[in-house]
Amino acid sequence: EAGVVQSPRYKIIEKKQPVAFWCNPISGHNTLYWYLQNLGQGPELLIRYENEEAVDDSQLPKDRFSAERLKGVDSTLKIQPAELGDSAVYLCASSSRTSGRWDEQFFGPGTRLTVL
Amino acid sequence: GNSVTQMEGPVTLSEEAFLTINCTYTATGYPSLFWYVQYPGEGLQLLLKATKADDKGSNKGFEATYRKETTSFHLEKGSVQVSDSAVYFCALTYGNNRLAFGKGNQVVVIP
Repeated sequence: EAGVVQSPRYKIIEKKQPVAFWCNPISGHNTLYWYLQNLGQGPELLIRYENEEAVDDSQLPKDRFSAERLKGVDSTLKIQPAELGDSAVYLCASSSRTSGRWDEQFFGPGTRLTVL
Repeated sequence: GNSVTQMEGPVTLSEEAFLTINCTYTATGYPSLFWYVQYPGEGLQLLLKATKADDKGSNKGFEATYRKETTSFHLEKGSVQVSDSAVYFCALTYGNNRLAFGKGNQVVVIP
């Protein structure tokens, strides 16, 4: 079974530029999460999707961050414009309600963003 | 609120030594508790979990027991290997499957 796929793995941009991250969850996982992980910290939830609906986005800074999951499978997280403080690792995770183990989240390798 | 506290600082130990990483939590209700591991260059992997008080989670020689009376979920392994070198995160779920993570502990095992 393929794991959660994320791309790109690394991204370097200048401040005020836009950036986008892509995630493909494990096949059949209807719940998708985006997390932010700062250096030396644990991940923090940005947004959770149930299929194509964003059901928990209270932690997403909506002035510059946006996300979509149009067909309930792949998802894109965007930052526009990026700021220096956005340098971090952006993690995608997924889980399955139908597996009986919805609480087990599977993580991708992350995208390391550096804003110069 | 809901939060997890892990002991400060990296952990360095010799191969075959006993490993303990402390984790305490604050939660409303009855959360599930987890340990995730992050190997260099890889994503977080679920190591073990426990869903109710006195449950013991175990995997790959690691164990942790859900202690409600001390609000703790300490991770232990009797004999570590160099391949266990990684960052270990304690976490709990609250709300609708929100995960709250601790800061993580870097474990370095020296041959």
